[in-house]
Amino acid sequence: DSGVTQTPKHLITATGQRVTLRCSPRSGDLSVYWYQQSLDQGLQFLIQYYNGEERAKGNILERFSAQQFPDLHSELNLSSLELGDSALYFCASSADWPSYNEQFFGPGTRLTVL
Amino acid sequence: GENVEQHPSTLSVQEGDSAVIKCTYSDSASNYFPWYKQELGKRPQLIIDIRSNVGEKKDQRIAVTLNKTAKHFSLHITETQPEDSAVYFCAAPPGGATNKLIFGTGTLLAVQP
Repeated sequence: DSGVTQTPKHLITATGQRVTLRCSPRSGDLSVYWYQQSLDQGLQFLIQYYNGEERAKGNILERFSAQQFPDLHSELNLSSLELGDSALYFCASSADWPSYNEQFFGPGTRLTVL
Repeated sequence: GENVEQHPSTLSVQEGDSAVIKCTYSDSASNYFPWYKQELGKRPQLIIDIRSNVGEKKDQRIAVTLNKTAKHFSLHITETQPEDSAVYFCAAPPGGATNKLIFGTGTLLAVQP
């Protein structure tokens, strides 16, 4: 167990819908990262938050947004869902920026868009 | 640019043999190079990492080497065991004010008993 929690574990929804994925980082970690892993694909970086502020963006679609709350949990919002959004979404957390530290991954949320 | 290339994409070895996976990065400002192991259906987990001030790091059967001049780093697994079968990802951070990681495309390692 990495100490990073994600809910829900599985999510099945229809095209055009909106979903919210939730992540709680390890105790004390200020940075949260979101990754997308499609079938047979690698880990695509979406976005990073540090202590409530957006720190870095990857190839995140405009239909996707995220935020980090004062208690440091983070939510990834996916809207106008398409079939191609079906993937495993991981959240990871790490200790203080700017030193490079191990990123601890959560168990992931498997999103299926029908 | 932000790019990490990883080879090979698949690797099959006999139990007891060694396995080597290589990665090349593009940003000369990168100074941290982790390797993650992802078993089927599981989360990626860090197995070893190296920082740019050293050229090699070992942890039991696993080692990582770094060549900053050539901008590549490699994972070496000796005496492979069936439980080493997994997908392995290398990663590197781009330069700048972030410690996000750019991951390689992964290597599926199969250790045949």
